[in-house]
Amino acid sequence: DVKVTQSSRYLVKRTGEKVFLECVQDMDHENMFWYRQDPGLGLRLIYFSYDVKMKEKGDIPEGYSVSREKKERFSLILESASTNQTSMYLCASSPGGTNEKLFFGSGTQLSVL
Amino acid sequence: EDQVTQSPEALRLQEGESSSLNCSYTVSGLRGLFWYRQDPGKGPEFLFTLYSAGEEKEKERLKATLTKKESFLHITAPKPEDSATYLCAVTTLDTGRRALTFGSGTRLQVQP
Repeated sequence: DVKVTQSSRYLVKRTGEKVFLECVQDMDHENMFWYRQDPGLGLRLIYFSYDVKMKEKGDIPEGYSVSREKKERFSLILESASTNQTSMYLCASSPGGTNEKLFFGSGTQLSVL
Repeated sequence: EDQVTQSPEALRLQEGESSSLNCSYTVSGLRGLFWYRQDPGKGPEFLFTLYSAGEEKEKERLKATLTKKESFLHITAPKPEDSATYLCAVTTLDTGRRALTFGSGTRLQVQP
């Protein structure tokens, strides 16, 4: 069965801390994505990657960076966490080519205090 | 700018009471429209992809349809286990963006 695994289900951090959210997929997918989900705003794209060491900004990249050193792993980094980054973070992957069907992880609920 | 709008925000149905969820979109060129289901505390799960106006897809009590401006998710004789948030998303012909743009979802509650 296909799987996208996010390292933490819940995370509590302090303002100003550097935060790493990890995501691993076991499907050999080309594309990986980071979204955040907030009530009333839906899912908003932060960054995506369609190849190792490649990254593209999404709609709300400010305050975030990403790393993709291996095909199966896509990390989201909050360089200096702020309270407005409190949110549910969802990682997803897709096979690439013309297949855009996304497979999602279960999400990380991040609280920044 | 691509926009996806879902309505209603929330919908409460009695078991067996059929209804429809709406997803209207404004994009430069639609490549595909997707429906996902999301249960509380979980990531979204894929339901359907629609590519051209007039296309329909069915799965159990759900049927998705597509026109040039909107998509409907019809729920026939729903059961309590159909309670979830239903998300609509689009991809466009802009090949530089291989990512989905999502609407904010419809929260469906089906009461026994």
